Amino acid sequence: RKEVEQDPGPFNVPEGATVAFNCTYSNSASQSFFWYRQDCRKEPKLLMSVYSSGNEDGRFTAQLNRASQYISLLIRDSKLSDSATYLCVVGRRGGSYIPTFGRGTSLIVHP
Amino acid sequence: DGGITQSPKYLFRKEGQNVTLSCEQNLNHDAMYWYRQDPGQGLRLIYYSQIVNDFQKGDIAEGYSVSREKKESFPLTVTSAQKNPTAFYLCASSIGGTRTGELFFGEGSRLTVL
Repeated sequence: RKEVEQDPGPFNVPEGATVAFNCTYSNSASQSFFWYRQDCRKEPKLLMSVYSSGNEDGRFTAQLNRASQYISLLIRDSKLSDSATYLCVVGRRGGSYIPTFGRGTSLIVHP
Repeated sequence: DGGITQSPKYLFRKEGQNVTLSCEQNLNHDAMYWYRQDPGQGLRLIYYSQIVNDFQKGDIAEGYSVSREKKESFPLTVTSAQKNPTAFYLCASSIGGTRTGELFFGEGSRLTVL
């Protein structure tokens, strides 16, 4: 089983739709969780951190479920500009902080 | 402006040649990382360094080497031993230590082996 797993998609949704992605992780000792956005042929950029209490930033909501070992990202009122790949990142410790990436979920928002 | 600079952005090499990718940061971060990304795939960790003069192998270190002689710099050498080196290489840094903070990325280096 991969350490961090995501459904690669693509998720193809119309503008204005609500879409949700999940990401599961296998290491129960994982301590930090993030969502990054990556545009085609560009570097990833931080979208948001994921806290145990959940957090919201405008149209984006991230949640963590430690018992079931997954994190989620909800995007409301999708825009064309939200089209990208969304990468789940889980931080594990092996004496050092080691961020591990999922393979990403592709989102395509169409008019 | 603080950030991470990778060079070159595009690189072509012949089979059997070593090539070194540069990564420089002025964020005063302790931790630096090298990732490889193949089409349609996530990022896989090659090497990481938490402090100057120390580095560890990641998940796919074979055929690669690094050095960390200065805090600001973490160059990656792709050796001829790397069987399939064509990929997008990303360097990142974070505050480091016990803090599990945001990763800051360079713009990446796209290596093509002819």
